[in-house]
Parts: sequence; C-alpha cells; structure tokens
Amino acid sequence: DAKTTQPNSMESNEEEPVHLPCNHSTISGTDYIHWYRQLPSQGPEYVIHGLTSNVNNRMASLAIAEDRKSSTLILHRATLRDAAVYYCILRDVQGGSEKLVFGKGTKLTVNP
Amino acid sequence: DTGVSQDPRHKITKRGQNVTFRCDPISEHNRLYWYRQTLGQGPEFLTYFQNEAQLEKSRLLSDRFSAERPKGSFSTLEIQRTEQGDSAMYLCASSSSRSGNTIYFGEGSWLTVV
Repeated sequence: DAKTTQPNSMESNEEEPVHLPCNHSTISGTDYIHWYRQLPSQGPEYVIHGLTSNVNNRMASLAIAEDRKSSTLILHRATLRDAAVYYCILRDVQGGSEKLVFGKGTKLTVNP
Repeated sequence: DTGVSQDPRHKITKRGQNVTFRCDPISEHNRLYWYRQTLGQGPEFLTYFQNEAQLEKSRLLSDRFSAERPKGSFSTLEIQRTEQGDSAMYLCASSSSRSGNTIYFGEGSWLTVV
C-alpha cells in the first residue's frame, strides 16, 4: 500500500488559513490523493480528493505539486470546529476494493 | 439519505461473550467496508463487501471475527469469545461505483470488553 507522511500535529489560530502538508513520494500514476478528517468520537469525514490538478470545494482546497510527490490541504479560515485529525491517503482506484489505508494523520488544534 | 448508520453506538461486554454490530449503508451503495480503530491510531481496514460478496479480508480479521452482508444491503460484524484487546471503535463505511466512489463512514460502534 502506498504511504504518506504527515506532521503529527499542527496549531492554528481561529480565522487564519491553515496549510496541512502531506508527502507521498512513492505515489503511482493511478493513485488519487484523498483527505479525510476525524472529529473526536466521530467517524472519518470526507474532505476532498484530487489526481493532478488543484481542487476546491466548500470545505477546503487541495494543492497538488506538479510531480505529485506532495500535496497541501488548505483551510482558508480555520474555525474551532475544524479541530480534528486530518488524514492524507493515497487511493488506487484501479480495481480491487479501493479501500482507504489510514496513517496516524495530523492533529490540528485551533486556538480561539 | 441519512448516511451510514451503525448500531449499537456503545457496547460493554464481559470477556468471553459474543457481540454483534450492525451497519446500514447509504441506500443503494454496493460497497461496504468495516474498519477498527483504537485510541491514538488511524482506522485499520478489516473487510470489504461488494454487494453480498466478501471480496477482501485483512489479516486482522481473526477466526473469532465474522462479517456478513446477506442481501447486499445491511451488514453485521460478529466477534465471538471477546477479549480485552478487542476493545475499539468499529467503523462501517460505504461507497457506490455510481456516485464517484467516495467512501462515507458511519459514527462507529464503541466496544469495551471488561
């Protein structure tokens, strides 16, 4: 299974932008980059995913490096409700179960 | 659409007892996944169903664990002869090849074995 590397923790202030990095140097051409987050005592929540181009949705933006060996999840204005563990996951959608393989993620703390 | 539903949300059981968790996926999602999560760790994959067929099982799924999805809709995860090491949150997730393959998770079922 493809691997990702994320910082164990990050801190941000409320209403400031947050950039969560992820390295995935062994990414293959068929791997999509997915981000999920998990609030305390809840199941993981889908945030965003992309293949090559940058992606935007109502929750966040995903910036993907040109060589695809790294990506950054961008929360444009952090709120207290964004405090969670953020997981960067590579997902091969070519056949099989296409399951998600989670690492330990980045624990984001948002200060008021 | 109410999302992935899991029941019970919390279960405390004595060591050696059997427990069963139920998962109702999002309507018409043909793919269903079970994960286990312990404190401080990310979720770990247990097993995967496509419709009623169990197509993949993790080595974590010991012979005391069994999962079924008899009619391709809801699924059950049974743990026999529970051990304290089985204490964890059991997560169910579903996806559909017709709607972008995004995997959606339920709230999880917490198991405490005493």
